[in-house]
Amino acid sequence: QVQLQQSGPGLVKPSQTLSLTCAVSGDSVSSNSAAWSWIRQSPSRGLEWLARTYYRSKWYSDYAVSVRSRLDINAVTSKNQFSLQLNSVTPEDTAVYYCAREAAARGYGMDVWGQGTAVTVSS
Amino acid sequence: DIQMTQSPPSLSASVGDRVTITCRASQTIGTYLNWYQQKPGRAPNLLTYAASSFPSGVPPRFSGSGSGTDFTLTISSLQPEDSGTYFCQQSFTTPRTFGQGTKVGIK
Repeated sequence: QVQLQQSGPGLVKPSQTLSLTCAVSGDSVSSNSAAWSWIRQSPSRGLEWLARTYYRSKWYSDYAVSVRSRLDINAVTSKNQFSLQLNSVTPEDTAVYYCAREAAARGYGMDVWGQGTAVTVSS
Repeated sequence: DIQMTQSPPSLSASVGDRVTITCRASQTIGTYLNWYQQKPGRAPNLLTYAASSFPSGVPPRFSGSGSGTDFTLTISSLQPEDSGTYFCQQSFTTPRTFGQGTKVGIK
């Protein structure tokens, strides 16, 4: 059974960096049949896909234009986890953040989700 | 970006009713359309993928259809546990995009 376990702070000060980690069990972040995404949800923006990373003989990453200049997504194969770093946060980045697996066998639907991390950006 | 438009934004129906939610993409996405159910305080849960396929464990009262730009999620006989918010999402291209959601309530 594939599980995703998120970790990271719930409170970040404006202008600082938000760092979240998603630990994968039951699958490999280096799988050739999956991609690993970060999504956030807020009342004002709804569900907003942020980025994904995947391995197909080498690592690839895709980003949402709205956060491209501030966001970095990385996989750490030795720990079987992937992470999100969002720089220069503002109160607009307050949201529940989720990690998720996109499964090629399911049309790249997001079939496994982390538990979510409620992040507040405030001084 | 591909815009996903759902309707209605909310609905209330009785147990046993047939419920239909629609989703329209701003450009053709083939059958790269997924539906999710979300309960309050929980992560979304994949309900259908590839427009009309189901992960194991999804009750047969749920069905999905459509291709191109127009898609439908149908609940053939609404049950109390079906209350929640339903989202469509395209996986045709990045950035992935979601509909704004349809909140389903039980009368």
